[in-house]
Amino acid sequence: GENVEQHPSTLSVQEGDSAVIKCTYSDSASNYFPWYKQELGKGPQLIIDIRSNVGEKKDQRIAVTLNKTAKHFSLHITETQPEDSAVYFCAAIQEGGYQKVTFGIGTKLQVIP
Amino acid sequence: DVKVTQSSRYLVKRTGEKVFLECVQDMDHENMFWYRQDPGLGLRLIYFSYDVKMKEKGDIPEGYSVSREKKERFSLILESASTNQTSMYLCASSPWGTGNTGELFFGEGSRLTVL
Repeated sequence: GENVEQHPSTLSVQEGDSAVIKCTYSDSASNYFPWYKQELGKGPQLIIDIRSNVGEKKDQRIAVTLNKTAKHFSLHITETQPEDSAVYFCAAIQEGGYQKVTFGIGTKLQVIP
Repeated sequence: DVKVTQSSRYLVKRTGEKVFLECVQDMDHENMFWYRQDPGLGLRLIYFSYDVKMKEKGDIPEGYSVSREKKERFSLILESASTNQTSMYLCASSPWGTGNTGELFFGEGSRLTVL
């Protein structure tokens, strides 16, 4: 089955700095990679995703990059703000069928004002 | 907006009790999931269902069962609660055709403490 490793587990940055969270996956058949953000007391919410036919995707201050050869993908947050403080989860999925979603262990991001 | 509602935000139960966690979604999604969230372990899939009365085991089904009698409702059952089932439980749903792909819509979670 798929194995997703995520690091770091905790990350503190100063407001305005950039934050990078990295994930690696094991199953070369995985072709869909979402990122979820979980704010305190809430369930995770999808913030951005990328499919294996694309190397990079941006949405305002967040971007994801994918290196299929190395089997790793990353979340980049620029100009961090206090409201970016949350737990972020990556996941790797093989589209089609009812395969299980395998999540990383999560990264707790703290943005210091 | 999709809404996934978990009936209890906080529960305290005793070892050996039977526990029901209820989840309801209002967007007519075919797929529903139960995850467990523990520090350092991330989100682990317990069970999922892709249709009424259908269920599939996830990664950690031991000690749990599920029920899906209606499309909008997916229940997680702990037949005899144990202290190692103290955790945060998250329900999620997603529409047909995506299986486990596409967006998962999560509830706010049920924090269960077993004494």
